[in-house]
Amino acid sequence: GESVGLHLPTLSVQEGDNSIINCAYSNSASDYFIWYKQESGKGPQFIIDIRSNMDKRQGQRVTVLLNKTVKHLSLQIAATQPGDSAVYFCALAPGSSYKLIFGSGTRLLVRP
Amino acid sequence: DTAVSQTPKYLVTQMGNDKSIKCEQNLGHDTMYWYKQDSKKFLKIMFSYNNKELIINETVPNRFSPKSPDKAHLNLHINSLELGDSAVYFCASSQGVIAEETQYFGPGTRLLVL
Repeated sequence: GESVGLHLPTLSVQEGDNSIINCAYSNSASDYFIWYKQESGKGPQFIIDIRSNMDKRQGQRVTVLLNKTVKHLSLQIAATQPGDSAVYFCALAPGSSYKLIFGSGTRLLVRP
Repeated sequence: DTAVSQTPKYLVTQMGNDKSIKCEQNLGHDTMYWYKQDSKKFLKIMFSYNNKELIINETVPNRFSPKSPDKAHLNLHINSLELGDSAVYFCASSQGVIAEETQYFGPGTRLLVL
């Protein structure tokens, strides 16, 4: 079956620095990947997605990188701000699937 | 103008009781979901409905019964609550049924079974 894992359960960064959150997956048939942000007491919120035919996708202050060779996904946040403090989840959808499979989450703490 | 809303936000109850959680979305989406998030923040799909039709039914105890009276509502009824049911339950919705459709989550219902 599919599994999604994260390298670090908690990441602490200085405000203004860049953050990198990593995610590993096991099934090479996965063709859609998403990052969600969950702030304390709230539901997950979509940040950015990427399809398997891409290596990189950029949004506002966020970049997702996909390395299919090593089955690795990362989320880069530029100039991290206090409002970025949250738990970040990667999720994936195996081809033609109806369901998302979520990773276990990384907590991002932003130090002032 | 909340997009996906859930009630109640908090639910504290005794083991063995029956309880319901309600979800409504005003996004005009066709698909709705229930997820369970455990104490370690692990998020797992339980059910999904598309236009009131059950699409996903994960290996969830049959004490959990979803009901979709219309495509804007998906309620979750839980019979004979157990300690292990304590978790945060999230409702979500998306326009289409495939996993690539962006899912919009509600604020969650924090269930504590004593």
